[in-house]
Amino acid sequence: DAKTTQPNSMESNEEEPVHLPCNHSTISGTDYIHWYRQLPSQGPEYVIHGLTSNVNNRMASLAIAEDRKSSTLILHRATLRDAAVYYCIRASGGYNKLIFGAGTRLAVHP
Amino acid sequence: AAGVIQSPRHLIKEKRETATLKCYPIPRHDTVYWYQQGPGQDPQFLISFYEKMQSDKGSIPDRFSAQQFSDYHSELNMSSLELGDSALYFCASSLGDNHEAFFGQGTRLTVV
Repeated sequence: DAKTTQPNSMESNEEEPVHLPCNHSTISGTDYIHWYRQLPSQGPEYVIHGLTSNVNNRMASLAIAEDRKSSTLILHRATLRDAAVYYCIRASGGYNKLIFGAGTRLAVHP
Repeated sequence: AAGVIQSPRHLIKEKRETATLKCYPIPRHDTVYWYQQGPGQDPQFLISFYEKMQSDKGSIPDRFSAQQFSDYHSELNMSSLELGDSALYFCASSLGDNHEAFFGQGTRLTVV
């Protein structure tokens, strides 16, 4: 049970920002929120993760709602290479077990 | 930088045969995870190891077993293969818990 809900698909134009939403209304206080993406024919790739505060790295930003029941992955300027399936994952407990649910397939148009 | 190495990349087996998939984690990583991804499906967690001990178990069939060795590499052993076992098998490694996991390129297993 992935316990997260994401849109099946989203579309964006190249060089535009993309906001990928995720609902995790039953999240517990110790669950981290991870985002991974999977390009065609490749293994999943780590994007970003956070607990309570908003997070930024070279790939993306993660905005976490104050009640932690939802989060948004922000790609500031989409490129064609960002076309992938994006997974929002709750990781509970130690050892970082990742339960993948049905992610969001992002299409990026030139 | 060194990545997670999986071998073989492709494997074709007949029904009821056995298969062994190998995973070499990133140096110094102490945690290994195995995932199965069927055609058009999302990755399903099978099993994980931390410091050579099984740390968690997911939807791994009883016909499958895995272990992590003293050099931290891991092997997934699959017996009595069925057509439904045809899938991509990913291994991932991380350093400790709650750190980012790095995935290998996967082993594509085809059971005929």
